[in-house]
Amino acid sequence: QKEVEQDPGPLSVPEGAIVSLNCTYSNSAFQYFMWYRQYSRKGPELLMYTYSSGNKEDGRFTAQVDKSSKYISLFIRDSQPSDSATYLCAMYSGGSNYKLTFGKGTLLTVNP
Amino acid sequence: IAGITQAPTSQILAAGRRMTLRCTQDMRHNAMYWYRQDLGLGLRLIHYSNTAGTTGKGEVPDGYSVSRANTDDFPLTLASAVPSQTSVYFCASSDQFGQPQHFGDGTRLSIL
Repeated sequence: QKEVEQDPGPLSVPEGAIVSLNCTYSNSAFQYFMWYRQYSRKGPELLMYTYSSGNKEDGRFTAQVDKSSKYISLFIRDSQPSDSATYLCAMYSGGSNYKLTFGKGTLLTVNP
Repeated sequence: IAGITQAPTSQILAAGRRMTLRCTQDMRHNAMYWYRQDLGLGLRLIHYSNTAGTTGKGEVPDGYSVSRANTDDFPLTLASAVPSQTSVYFCASSDQFGQPQHFGDGTRLSIL
């Protein structure tokens, strides 16, 4: 089983839709969870950063972590064409373990 | 604008040639990283440095070397390029080792 699994999509939604992006993971030591957004021909841009279980909201974006299920989600409300990008989840356990483990990314297209 | 600058943005290189990818950050971050991103494989860590003067191997270090003479610069060298090193290379940095990483916009390298 891969350490982090992420559905590659592609995912296509109409403007204004609620988008749900998800990752599952197998390593119970992961404590820090991130979502990155990557536009075409650009580097990944940090979108959300959470520690342990729970929710975090930032504008139209909400990150959820369920450590008991080893499942993280990113919700985008009122999606816009400018949200069209690849979304990468990433996580690490912290302490002396530096290694950031990435999902392979989900390609999202929001159609006007 | 503070951030990470990578150069060149793209390069076509003959196999067997030596190539150095440059990375400079102006955020005074302690840790720096080099990744390659390939379709279907996601982001993979090549080398990292948790502070100036120290470096370490990541997931796919073979064929690459790095140095960290100062805080701001972290060049990646391909001593003798091979076609399998065709990829998009991203440099990243973080304030502390393992904390959320900030990425440059990448170098697109093609080895023929």
